[in-house]
Parts: sequence; C-alpha cells; structure tokens
Amino acid sequence: AQTVTQSQPEMSVQEAETVTLSCTYDTSENNYYLFWYKQPPSRQMILVIRQEAYKQQNATENRFSVNFQKAAKSFSLKISDSQLGDTAMYFCAFMKPRISNFGNEKLTFGTGTRLTIIP
Amino acid sequence: DAGVTQSPTHLIKTRGQQVTLRCSPKSGHDTVSWYQQALGQGPQFIFQYYEEEERQRGNFPDRFSGHQFPNYSSELNVNALLLGDSALYLCASSSLYSVNEQFFGPGTRLTVL
Repeated sequence: AQTVTQSQPEMSVQEAETVTLSCTYDTSENNYYLFWYKQPPSRQMILVIRQEAYKQQNATENRFSVNFQKAAKSFSLKISDSQLGDTAMYFCAFMKPRISNFGNEKLTFGTGTRLTIIP
Repeated sequence: DAGVTQSPTHLIKTRGQQVTLRCSPKSGHDTVSWYQQALGQGPQFIFQYYEEEERQRGNFPDRFSGHQFPNYSSELNVNALLLGDSALYLCASSSLYSVNEQFFGPGTRLTVL
C-alpha cells in the first residue's frame, strides 16, 4: 500500500515571500502520479499542480513549482510571491497508473499542511 | 459548464439513522469516487463507481454503500450512523480520458449527534 506523509502540520509566511511545503511518499511502483491540492475554507479541493513520475522535469504552474526527487521519494511544493489567497490547507496526493479499463485509480492523501499568508 | 455538484451542503443526523448524499459529476465525466475527510485529516477513499458498478473500495464497512445512475450521477448511503461518521464527504469525478486528474465537489458536511 502507498503512504503519503506531510510532516509540517502548519506553516506561515509573510505575503510576497516564498514558502516550501514538504511531502514524502512510499511506493513500490515505478510509474505513478503525484499531486498537490489546495483546500481553502470554502472546502472545495482544487488541483494546484501535478507531476508524472516518468517525467524528470519538475512541473511548474505560474507561481507554483515542485521539486520531485524520485529516488528520495520526495515531492515538495514551492509557492513564490505568496498571496493572501494562498491561505488554505494543502494536501499532497499519490495515484497509481490506471491498469484496467474500468474506472480510474484512487487518490491517497497526506494529512495536510495548513498554510497561512500573513499580510 | 457546471463542475461537480453535491447535495445537501450540510446535514445533521442522530446515531442509528441512515443518510443519503448525492453527487453529479462534471460534464463529460463517467467515473465517480467518494472520499471521507474527518476534521483535521486528509480525505480517505471510500469507493469508486464506473458504468454503474462499484469498481474499487477502500477500508470502509458495509454500512457504506453507493449507487451510480445511467446519467453518471451517484449516491452515497450510510446506514446505522455512528458518531465517528461525522465528516466532510467529498465526491470526485473523472473520465478514462482524464486519467491523471480528479475534479472535486464542494462536499457535504455530515454531523452525527
């Protein structure tokens, strides 16, 4: 079974600064997908960024980027120029590749990091 | 284009009762997954429906059951409610063509007294 660990329950950073959230995972799979989801107080889970394990290049989406270290099974999220709207719970998640034609694989989530951006 | 919708938004029940939660997937999606998110925790996978059948199931008792309709919408039923069933229930939709992305609804907050 896969496990995802987020060791930082809470973090805070000043607006406009850069912050890095940590995530490690355990799997015996060679190919898989990794995700960072954001959950603001509105509760809606929003996809921030995704990484496919077979791609060596780190994913980037505007102010969000990841540092994917496959050998170390580490997947950190960097938020640059942080904004007040970035305040939320952030969840790291793992998904195996689909192996059947009947549905998709499940997401396995970490326990989350509560990020607060301070004005 | 409406995203994933869930109803109701909030629900209060007492121990021993039964509850039904509903989910409509994003347009074009045919797979619905249900997750339970206890307070302060990450979501836990309950089960997934595709082609009106349960395809995968997480570590949840048989009190948790579901259904998928021909229009791809889905229901989550929980019988004999326990205090520990209090949680946010999230529905996520996907399709075989969006294999690496699941779109989540806003969730249903269930409180069991």
